[in-house]
Amino acid sequence: AQSVSQHNHHVILSEAASLELGCNYSYGGTVNLFWYVQYPGQHLQLLLKYFSGDPLVKGIKGFEAEFIKSKFSFNLRKPSVQWSDTAEYFCAVNSLTGGGNKLTFGTGTQLKVEL
Amino acid sequence: DAGITQSPRHKVTETGTPVTLRCHQTENHRYMYWYRQDPGHGLRLIHYSYGVKDTDKGEVSDGYSVSRSKTEDFLLTLESATSSQTSVYFCAISNTAARSYNEQFFGPGTRLTVL
Repeated sequence: AQSVSQHNHHVILSEAASLELGCNYSYGGTVNLFWYVQYPGQHLQLLLKYFSGDPLVKGIKGFEAEFIKSKFSFNLRKPSVQWSDTAEYFCAVNSLTGGGNKLTFGTGTQLKVEL
Repeated sequence: DAGITQSPRHKVTETGTPVTLRCHQTENHRYMYWYRQDPGHGLRLIHYSYGVKDTDKGEVSDGYSVSRSKTEDFLLTLESATSSQTSVYFCAISNTAARSYNEQFFGPGTRLTVL
């Protein structure tokens, strides 16, 4: 079964610091990859997604992620975080060769940005 | 935002009682999902539906049942609620004209407390 690992469970940064959140998945075949964000008290919203093509994908609010197939990774980055980026971030993977249309989520990374 | 509503938004119930949560969509999407979100576990799939009256189990389906009699409605029932089912429940939808389109859109969530 597909599994997704997010190594950083809690991250605290100061405003303007750079961010990188790790995500690794287990399945070696064709995958779709997603990062979702959940602001306090809200539902999950899509930040960005990778289906195919350029492995560097750009999302909303200045976020980007790089798909490295050889490392089974899809790390999320932002050059300069803002206080409003305080949220929980989830990596998710869909493996296209089995299991139907289902996403497997990581356990999430709680990001706190301090002023 | 995708047209997804969940009801109720908050519920407190007692152990042993049946509980039904409702997800309603106005997007005419084929796939619908129920997840539970718990600290340290991220989102875990309970059940999903790939069409009217077509449902399948997710990774944490024990103690839950679902029904989908119309495209727009997906019901989650806790047959006999237990304290371990205290959680936040999210409904999601996706449209899969092609298998690569696996992005899911999430509802606002239902916070369920079982005493």
